[in-house]
Amino acid sequence: AQKITQTQPGMFVQEKEAVTLDCTYDTSDQSYGLFWYKQPSSGEMIFLIYQGSYDEQNATEGRYSLNFQKARKSANLVISASQLGDSAMYFCAMREVKAAGNKLTFGGGTRVLVKP
Amino acid sequence: GAGVSQSPSNKVTEKGKDVELRCDPISGHTALYWYRQSLGQGLEFLIYFQGNSAPDKSGLPSDRFSAERTGGSVSTLTIQRTQQEDSAVYLCASSLTGVNSGNTIYFGEGSWLTVV
Repeated sequence: AQKITQTQPGMFVQEKEAVTLDCTYDTSDQSYGLFWYKQPSSGEMIFLIYQGSYDEQNATEGRYSLNFQKARKSANLVISASQLGDSAMYFCAMREVKAAGNKLTFGGGTRVLVKP
Repeated sequence: GAGVSQSPSNKVTEKGKDVELRCDPISGHTALYWYRQSLGQGLEFLIYFQGNSAPDKSGLPSDRFSAERTGGSVSTLTIQRTQQEDSAVYLCASSLTGVNSGNTIYFGEGSWLTVV
């Protein structure tokens, strides 16, 4: 079974609008971390936001927020006020305590294209 | 530099040749990871180092792939007798430790390998 599922392979969003990227995960761990990364066409993986499994508040970082619904095992990324520079691939990832080295397991990604 | 540094950024090699990819992690980071990303795909875990040892090599696809880390810092990923299916971006990442799911994993810009 997939540990991280991103059901939206691609989506368009109008500049200045908000967009929600879906991510569901599967783990039996109680302690884990959820991450979102942005990958522009240059290829680098840019860390955006982190949510710990024990965090009660949803994480926010500037225009990025994470809608964490633990019971549903969902960690959706919300980008507010989209900008042209937000066009990129977005990856959801999970880090489990029980995994050796706490390695990240990635979803398949969602490609976002922001239209002017 | 302050980030994870990888070299070469681009490498074109002939089938059957050996290649070495280098990663210089963020100073002080004891955990180091190698991932592979084929065109349009998600990230595939290859190997994890904690210090100079590699507790998890489970992602190495074949015995043609090997990696080492020296001095708890620089790591080299070696691919012997390259095949066309080895063409991918090889991403290196580092983290403060490998024992805390909350530590962010930071990525380098990747080494783009093309086997012709």
